Amino acid sequence: DQQVKQNSPSLSVQEGRISILNCDYTNSMFDYFLWYKKYPAEGPTFLISISSIKDKNEDGRFTVFLNKSAKHLSLHIVPSQPGDSAVYFCAARDSGGYQKVTFGTGTKLQVIP
Amino acid sequence: KAGVTQTPRYLIKTRGQQVTLSCSPISGHRSVSWYQQTPGQGLQFLFEYFSETQRNKGNFPGRFSGRQFSNSRSEMNVSTLELGDSALYLCASSPGTGGSWTGELFFGEGSRLTVL
Repeated sequence: DQQVKQNSPSLSVQEGRISILNCDYTNSMFDYFLWYKKYPAEGPTFLISISSIKDKNEDGRFTVFLNKSAKHLSLHIVPSQPGDSAVYFCAARDSGGYQKVTFGTGTKLQVIP
Repeated sequence: KAGVTQTPRYLIKTRGQQVTLSCSPISGHRSVSWYQQTPGQGLQFLFEYFSETQRNKGNFPGRFSGRQFSNSRSEMNVSTLELGDSALYLCASSPGTGGSWTGELFFGEGSRLTVL
């Protein structure tokens, strides 16, 4: 049972344009949502998060939007840069699961110079 | 401060063998989580330990086990290895307590296991 879903395994975007990565979830007990970035041969690193009581959080070029009624979140990267090419994982914290974080399957973003 | 350290980085085993992976968390972090990453499956949660106790467990067979020591270091063990166990095993640490924790995990570089 995949509680966090990323339906697009890959995405290609031109440098300077907007990248939009999407994520859907099913568990209503999730109270924080996070995005992680992973380069090959490295562990994932935290990028940005949002509380379930908010609908938008922004950090520089990265913005996460949360639509709680649709159980959907998205990550916007503007403008996209070649160094953003990586696998992006959507994740969610279970409010009832101590420090359990559930991850999606990842979206591989390629930013073309 | 030093990050999360995982050893070994790479290892090759044959079916039926067992393997032990080690993880040293960030100093001061008391929670250690383990994840399995395979192509197409993302990061699948194995288990989480805090103060030497398993607090959470994912949907993996009993061949997968773990433990945590008093210094917060953790090990995971996979017995009777199968070809499908080939994966990147990631360890992540976090403070373990505190209502302000929002889900941020600090990952090691992983242990790449190949089962032949």
